[in-house]
Amino acid sequence: DPKIIQKPKYLVAVTGSEKILICEQYLGHNAMYWYRQSAKKPLEFMFSYSYQKLMDNQTASSRFQPQSSKKNHLDLQITALKPDDSATYFCASSQTAALSAETLYFGSGTRLTVL
Amino acid sequence: GEQVEQRPPHLSVREGDSAFITCTYTDPNSYYFFWYKQEPGASLQLLMKVFSSTEINEGQGFTVLLNKKDKRLSLNLTAAHPGDSAAYFCAVTRTGGYKVVFGSGTRLLVSP
Repeated sequence: DPKIIQKPKYLVAVTGSEKILICEQYLGHNAMYWYRQSAKKPLEFMFSYSYQKLMDNQTASSRFQPQSSKKNHLDLQITALKPDDSATYFCASSQTAALSAETLYFGSGTRLTVL
Repeated sequence: GEQVEQRPPHLSVREGDSAFITCTYTDPNSYYFFWYKQEPGASLQLLMKVFSSTEINEGQGFTVLLNKKDKRLSLNLTAAHPGDSAAYFCAVTRTGGYKVVFGSGTRLLVSP
């Protein structure tokens, strides 16, 4: 059974719309992350959260907003979608946010296509 | 911030050959290093993690080399087989850091 669930697996959106990518982890981890993978930038760090608090944000645009309603949830809201946002978005988690030696566990990804 | 350069972007070898992938990093404070494997259509999974105190680490069918002086991390798949066909990503973190920085990836194809 997958321990990190991402929904939906595929998502098609029109330019200018808003979408929410869902992520839930059942590993009992305290830290969660979003990464983006596209042809231009293979695996790009976006956000890290620990105990539902933002630890690091490398996303320049405020159109990307993480939302954490529970410790094991970290959704990603994307507003005013652009074709350049097309990518696979991976959610990941680790036991703690002290990432020095922590292994990241990845979900299966949401492939977003913006038309 | 940390920059990780990974080469080559694509690698094609025959079954039984070795496949060698290298990453160079810039941050001298980088202390923990990882290799992740991503099979086609799947997510990333940890292959091995190494600490800067250890220069050679061996796994099942592969060896990871760390050269701290040159800031270079290498993955050598010995006697590759078609099941090794995947994308491989190196990654580094630093003590106290909150993010993992990944290399750009190497797509390996092992043909029979």
